[in-house]
Amino acid sequence: AQSVTQLGSHVSVSEGALVLLRCNYSSSVPPYLFWYVQYPNQGLQLLLKYTSAATLVKGINGFEAEFKKSETSFHLTKPSAHMSDAAEYFCAVSAQGGADGLTFGKGTHLIIQP
Amino acid sequence: DAGVIQSPRHEVTEMGQEVTLRCKPISGHNSLFWYRQTMMRGLELLIYFNNNVPIDDSGMPEDRFSAKMPNASFSTLKIQPSEPRDSAVYFCASSLRRGGVGELFFGEGSRLTVL
Repeated sequence: AQSVTQLGSHVSVSEGALVLLRCNYSSSVPPYLFWYVQYPNQGLQLLLKYTSAATLVKGINGFEAEFKKSETSFHLTKPSAHMSDAAEYFCAVSAQGGADGLTFGKGTHLIIQP
Repeated sequence: DAGVIQSPRHEVTEMGQEVTLRCKPISGHNSLFWYRQTMMRGLELLIYFNNNVPIDDSGMPEDRFSAKMPNASFSTLKIQPSEPRDSAVYFCASSLRRGGVGELFFGEGSRLTVL
């Protein structure tokens, strides 16, 4: 079985500051890991995914995440926050690359202060 | 290109009524997923299909819920009878399963309110 834990249901940063959203996973097999973003009243959009090819994964909109097996973590970062980054962010895990669906964390609401 | 299309976007109904949510996956995709999103429980996988066949329905909360996929371009999620605790946003997602890593593409969701 797989699960993810997102630390912090709300994160607030100033515009231009570093964004760090935390995700820890639990998996009995080597995991596939994903970050999705959800804007108000919309569906989820894939930001990036880890597929065991490279531990540092770059995604859209300047986001990246690093897979750390020793820490069972897959934290999402962005060097400089923009107002348009305000949204809900979900970390997800799968044992089969998504073919069997994804198990999502509870989400982190990112607030950008002007 | 058209994404995953869900209807209705909003549904308000009274307890005991039948609710049918509809989903059209992306053309060419062979896997379809139904998720439910609530504040308390987050995103929960209800059921998924591969090549129109239900593979895992262990997330379906109870017998009042049923899902079908009669063909590759259409799926329904039905709740009968509906209850206030079924109020949630229901998402449909599709993907192309090729043995490697797949990306789930989500629709915009159907917001259900049961009074």
